Amino acid sequence: SAVISQKPSRDICQRGTSLTIQCQVDSQVTMMFWYRQQPGQSLTLIATANQGSEATYESGFVIDKFPISRPNLTFSTLTVSNMSPEDSSIYLCSVEQATDTQYFGPGTRLTVL
Amino acid sequence: QKEVEQNSGPLSVPEGAIASLNCTYSDRGSQSFFWYRQYSGKSPELIMSIYSNGDKEDGRFTAQLNKASQYVSLLIRDSQPSDSATYLCAVQRDSSYKLIFGSGTRLLVRP
Repeated sequence: SAVISQKPSRDICQRGTSLTIQCQVDSQVTMMFWYRQQPGQSLTLIATANQGSEATYESGFVIDKFPISRPNLTFSTLTVSNMSPEDSSIYLCSVEQATDTQYFGPGTRLTVL
Repeated sequence: QKEVEQNSGPLSVPEGAIASLNCTYSDRGSQSFFWYRQYSGKSPELIMSIYSNGDKEDGRFTAQLNKASQYVSLLIRDSQPSDSATYLCAVQRDSSYKLIFGSGTRLLVRP
């Protein structure tokens, strides 16, 4: 499976600020995904990031709050904008490889004060 | 009704026993089914995928799928304390890349 890295691994941010999370893959992949895992909860898909087109957002998530970039087939960023304590979560990127299987990066643990 | 349902547990089994984890789903159009293991503070790790009715074995793990009854299960034989983790069931709809996750079952294997 692909090797996926995320930066930063964790961060503590102030309310009202923004944080950009990077996801890097060691091979070219068509589909990249961004998930959120709130404390004690399961994973919820935020959006699908396709290279060369705008991200597709799930219900309850909007581009103004979670802008996504996908400049090439190995890289994507997710920005969490105008943060509030409710945004404290683990943010995970995943990539799809053979047979519709998704593999996850190590995650970014975000705490908003 | 949640789209993917799992018992939150914890499911506690003694070392060496068989752990049985269950998952039901509501969308009959679902085609692909996955089990992920997540250790505390870590990201999900893929254990098994299954696409056809019946059993699929990989080492100590066996995934079972019954599309008519809309359930998928994971059996862990000879459970080890290192198997203690949360197990997430994920379902993928037909013609969609979106994974729908259950809330996970926490497994505790007692030494």
